[in-house]
Amino acid sequence: DTEVTQTPKHLVMGMTNKKSLKCEQHMGHRAMYWYKQKAKKPPELMFVYSYEKLSINESVPSRFSPECPNSSLLNLHLHALQPEDSALYLCASSQDPGQGGHQPQHFGDGTRLSIL
Amino acid sequence: AQSVTQLGSHVSVSEGALVLLRCNYSSSVPPYLFWYVQYPNQGLQLLLKYTSAATLVKGINGFEAEFKKSETSFHLTKPSAHMSDAAEYFCAVTPNSGGYQKVTFGIGTKLQVIP
Repeated sequence: DTEVTQTPKHLVMGMTNKKSLKCEQHMGHRAMYWYKQKAKKPPELMFVYSYEKLSINESVPSRFSPECPNSSLLNLHLHALQPEDSALYLCASSQDPGQGGHQPQHFGDGTRLSIL
Repeated sequence: AQSVTQLGSHVSVSEGALVLLRCNYSSSVPPYLFWYVQYPNQGLQLLLKYTSAATLVKGINGFEAEFKKSETSFHLTKPSAHMSDAAEYFCAVTPNSGGYQKVTFGIGTKLQVIP
């Protein structure tokens, strides 16, 4: 069982739809991340939230809109996606964003997104 | 900038044989290093990490890795492979610095265990 919970596990949507991915952790972690993972590739960082504030956006298209309502929740709002956005979207968290790179990230099991 | 190179995108071993997955890092200062495992349709799970406390690091599921500065390596080993070890393995690196540090992943090595 993972300590980072992502919903839904699978999502199929059309290019004109609006949907949201959700992520929740109750470990008291103050850094949360969204990654995109294509098949047979490593995860690619999309966004980093530090103490509920967006600290890093890796030049992600505006059709992806992150939101961090509180320290336990992270959302990714999707609108007008393209077929190439089909991928596994992973959420992760780590303990303290200000304490250096030695902290491992804890990953959820991801949302498998398919764009028709 | 940090980087890691995983030699061998696919590795096949027989059940009960030694598992050796290779990872070399590129950094002027010894970084922090991690091995993650990803089973099909799951997220990444931390196997072990090197944060300069000890060069031989033991992780979960019988895996261990040795940090060798002279070889800039952090290879992952397990004495005896189990069928359940079949998965994708990612080596990852972060700079040995304070503040937020981006994780850089290797390309991954898919481990196949043959009965």
